[in-house]
Amino acid sequence: SYELTQPLSVSVALGQAAEITCGSNNIGSKNVHWYQQRPGQAPVLVMYNDDNRPSGIPERFSGSNSGNTATLTISGAQVGDEADYYCQLWDNDTGVFGGGTKLTVL
Amino acid sequence: EVQLVESGGGLVKPGGSLRLSCEVSGFTLISYNMNWIRQAPGRGLEWVSSIDSGSTYIYYTASLKGRVLTSRDNDKNSVFLQMNSLRAEDTAVYFCARERCSGGSCFFDHWGQGALVTVSS
Repeated sequence: SYELTQPLSVSVALGQAAEITCGSNNIGSKNVHWYQQRPGQAPVLVMYNDDNRPSGIPERFSGSNSGNTATLTISGAQVGDEADYYCQLWDNDTGVFGGGTKLTVL
Repeated sequence: EVQLVESGGGLVKPGGSLRLSCEVSGFTLISYNMNWIRQAPGRGLEWVSSIDSGSTYIYYTASLKGRVLTSRDNDKNSVFLQMNSLRAEDTAVYFCARERCSGGSCFFDHWGQGALVTVSS
């Protein structure tokens, strides 16, 4: 089965850039989506098809996907960006999520 | 405003059954595929099932195949997840999510708040 590897945690200083990675063999050939989940809340889509921001998502969120790694970048991280982040794609009609990354803003 | 509201969660004994419902509003259900995604306490997201708009194509995660059945009633704006032979490891919050497709791929653009299912004796 398809597996997506994310770091368990990422820390970033307030106002600095945070990169959250999602790795798998040749992931660059697939469309990757990203979700933000704050404690006790439902996930929210923050990036789709690698690098597309849904309406309402701040411009400081960006995405890329190439080779074996997809990346969600948060430029100028804010305290409100502290959350768990999950990457997701489809593998033969089956949804696959990464294990999630906890972002801490220091 | 798009809304998805899950119901039907609760405490069930191992081996028991439960039927979750997801009632939607603010959009035309028949125009969208729908999905169930779960999250065990303190764990990550796990995709459970998807159902296309006409209930023709229904897919399940391997670990639940044979124990769950996804259905929908477009006239009643509802999607359902029937879960049987429940185990302790099925304890989780179950989210329903709308699937939107664009640019050759699909993603979950709206989620419900989730329904907690606890399997315990």
